[in-house]
Amino acid sequence: KAGVTQTPRYLIKTRGQQVTLSCSPISGHRSVSWYQQTPGQGLQFLFEYFSETQRNKGNFPGRFSGRQFSNSRSEMNVSTLELGDSALYLCASSSPTGGNYGYTFGSGTRLTVV
Amino acid sequence: GEDVEQSLFLSVREGDSSVINCTYTDSSSTYLYWYKQEPGAGLQLLTYIFSNMDMKQDQRLTVLLNKKDKHLSLRIADTQTGDSAIYFCAEIVGGYQKVTFGTGTKLQVIP
Repeated sequence: KAGVTQTPRYLIKTRGQQVTLSCSPISGHRSVSWYQQTPGQGLQFLFEYFSETQRNKGNFPGRFSGRQFSNSRSEMNVSTLELGDSALYLCASSSPTGGNYGYTFGSGTRLTVV
Repeated sequence: GEDVEQSLFLSVREGDSSVINCTYTDSSSTYLYWYKQEPGAGLQLLTYIFSNMDMKQDQRLTVLLNKKDKHLSLRIADTQTGDSAIYFCAEIVGGYQKVTFGTGTKLQVIP
């Protein structure tokens, strides 16, 4: 079965712009989480969605937002981009029974802000 | 607290065993995981262990959990060059699916 699909793979944006990243989870997975990975901060949790509801949120400013659709696809939006937002953004989905047995990650979207 | 710490780097010779260590601070974690990340790729789940277990073996991988010391380790037997990657330990804390990752250990396998 298809894995977690993230689009686009690479993105270059200018400071002040906004960006939307997309994630399609494994079919049947209802939980989708987003992470930011940078060399300095490592993997930081952004938020988690389940059945279109945000259940958990990390310590990121309000410029970072997300949503989940009825088909479990999720989008993440970053407004007013800053240079420090340059990172690999990873999406992960978990099975219907929950993420206790581990998440399946996509290959990520590498965002560069110039 | 939710800090998960790992040593940054490990170098081993091909064929030797690798042991990657992790310490965590939150005793309420229920599941602990090991993920592998190869260059330019996402994270691949290698294995997980439930907090009431102290050991789990899966082919070349052995996970040891010491709850008293909050210490988790991953042993890779007969390490191959294809095992070169960054390895992350991770834990689930709390009722919902928020995973806290360690800082990652870069494993270098020397042929």
